Amino acid sequence: DAKTTQPTSMDCAEGRAANLPCNHSTISGNEYVYWYRQIHSQGPQYIIHGLKNNETNEMASLIITEDRKSSTLILPHATLRDTAVYYCIVRVMNSGYSTLTFGKGTMLLVSP
Amino acid sequence: GAVVSQHPSWVICKSGTSVKIECRSLDFQATTMFWYRQFPKQSLMLMATSNEGSKATYEQGVEKDKFLINHASLTLSTLTVTSAHPEDSSFYICSALGGNPYNSPLHFGNGTRLTVT
Repeated sequence: DAKTTQPTSMDCAEGRAANLPCNHSTISGNEYVYWYRQIHSQGPQYIIHGLKNNETNEMASLIITEDRKSSTLILPHATLRDTAVYYCIVRVMNSGYSTLTFGKGTMLLVSP
Repeated sequence: GAVVSQHPSWVICKSGTSVKIECRSLDFQATTMFWYRQFPKQSLMLMATSNEGSKATYEQGVEKDKFLINHASLTLSTLTVTSAHPEDSSFYICSALGGNPYNSPLHFGNGTRLTVT
């Protein structure tokens, strides 16, 4: 899987938008960008994924640059419960299945 | 949404004993399940991949005779830590893949905290 680079940590004020960047300059054409988050002592929670188009769901928006070398996860109105480690992962889809390789992620701290 | 249940959520055992962890997909059939391990302040590391009805594939450095994986049905996979030692103390997390393998997210259980004394 392509390697990703994320900032180690970020801060965000409650109620503001949290924009989490991710670089994946070696991504291949068949690799999806996935975002997960992990709240302390819990399993990772799926947030969103995309291939080349921007995506939005009830949790977040995913903006992927046209060259697909980077992306941004946007939490539009961060709350204290969004404090977690956020993982950006690129995942290749082979015939059958593929797993997820976790990097170190970004620790997002949402403050009052 | 897809739910993966993991049991137990925490377990304490004595050195030399074995511990079994269950992972169930509650509302979908999981053709493939994955087992991860996470040590404090570290990221998740893939241990093994299991497909229903076949032997698990282990990552390099993971002892298959120590970490026994059984994926007997489309909704259940088990991880047994045999002859556990204190260095096996960790957070074990399973995940399951259902639906379209080309465009389906993995869904994770809430993990099992294993402490070996």
